[in-house]
Amino acid sequence: NAGVTQTPKFRVLKTGQSMTLLCAQDMNHEYMYWYRQDPGMGLRLIHYSVGEGTTAKGEVPDGYNVSRLKKQNFLLGLESAAPSQTSVYFCASSLSGTGGYGYTFGSGTRLTVV
Amino acid sequence: KNEVEQSPQNLTAQEGEFITINCSYSVGISALHWLQQHPGGGIVSLFMLSSGKKKHGRLIATINIQEKHSSLHITASHPRDSAVYICAVRVEYGNKLVFGAGTILRVKS
Repeated sequence: NAGVTQTPKFRVLKTGQSMTLLCAQDMNHEYMYWYRQDPGMGLRLIHYSVGEGTTAKGEVPDGYNVSRLKKQNFLLGLESAAPSQTSVYFCASSLSGTGGYGYTFGSGTRLTVV
Repeated sequence: KNEVEQSPQNLTAQEGEFITINCSYSVGISALHWLQQHPGGGIVSLFMLSSGKKKHGRLIATINIQEKHSSLHITASHPRDSAVYICAVRVEYGNKLVFGAGTILRVKS
């Protein structure tokens, strides 16, 4: 049982390049989330999805886009990377929107934009 | 002021010591989570609390809803407990987790 799998684990981008981060879960969870983690700050929500085909903005959505074409996958895209997007990105999933069954996190993607 | 505050920010302990990490929050919540993150690693859920106390091995988590405060205790600490411990609250009536900045724990042998 893999849980939540993020790919890639590390990436270095040049300013202006684009990339997609993939999050895959095998627990049949409805809710999926993308967070970024920066030094000295708590995780901040970028975008989330409450089910297949749905997405919604979180606290810090600017510069990112997401898609949830299949229930098990949640993609995070950076169309034109900026140094301010250097961060560690975490994907998470939960069975319910109330989080009553807890959250499962991926192992993170460390992104550096130069 | 952050909605979720953790203290201390950094903590160094000797192996065997009893450790307490505190979390205070200023919003109404439906649940509080304690998470663990090892250096360079992913985030693992330790506890989810809505009242009272939970225990798992050497870890104990408590919450006082009236005082809007939770504590994570580690008994007989060990170097493998060295990690970042994160408090997160699920905001009441919302679909949102709010995270503390984390407490960096180092346990020396």
